Amino acid sequence: EDQVTQSPEALRLQEGESSSLNCSYTVSGLRGLFWYRQDPGKGPEFLFTLYSAGEEKEKERLKATLTKKESFLHITAPKPEDSATYLCAVHMYAGNNRKLIWGLGTSLAVNP
Amino acid sequence: GAVVSQHPSWVICKSGTSVKIECRSLDFQATTMFWYRQFPKQSLMLMATSNEGSKATYEQGVEKDKFLINHASLTLSTLTVTSAHPEDSSFYICSAGPGLAGVFTDTQYFGPGTRLTVL
Repeated sequence: EDQVTQSPEALRLQEGESSSLNCSYTVSGLRGLFWYRQDPGKGPEFLFTLYSAGEEKEKERLKATLTKKESFLHITAPKPEDSATYLCAVHMYAGNNRKLIWGLGTSLAVNP
Repeated sequence: GAVVSQHPSWVICKSGTSVKIECRSLDFQATTMFWYRQFPKQSLMLMATSNEGSKATYEQGVEKDKFLINHASLTLSTLTVTSAHPEDSSFYICSAGPGLAGVFTDTQYFGPGTRLTVL
């Protein structure tokens, strides 16, 4: 069964305490993997797209990496404003259709 | 670039009335837009894929007669919740992406969402 699993479900960090969020997937016909950030009551904000194993992308304190089975979102020296839910989605082929499969997200809280 | 807007941002209505939500791509054309529903502390649930100039494709379990989708132009899609009931209360979000006509775009940009409360 095609699915995307994110861990941990929730994470609480102290400001400056680096950590990683995980997104593991079991899909066939992977076309791309996306990371989004979602603040309460708002739509998801696009962060990264990764297409192939070994690919890495960075944006400020965030770095996303991709392997054949999972992706990591590394947060270096986080600040309170990094607190949000981080969503992972996989773009895959399903027959003649293409679709996105979403993980349930990791809720990150960064304490000052 | 790649900005998607939604209107209204929130709406409260009485049971039995219909509510229309607009989704606009502000700085690009989108042949395909997507409508999602999100319950508190849950992930996004795709409701339907909206295609400009043709009928929307609904996900299994989504009532097409209840959730009417119209993709009138390359920058506008609307979702109408007909005869709304309290169980339709939710956070509705649309997404779109720059892409060539007929080609599923890789990156989706989301609107800010619409909070619907049905009394």
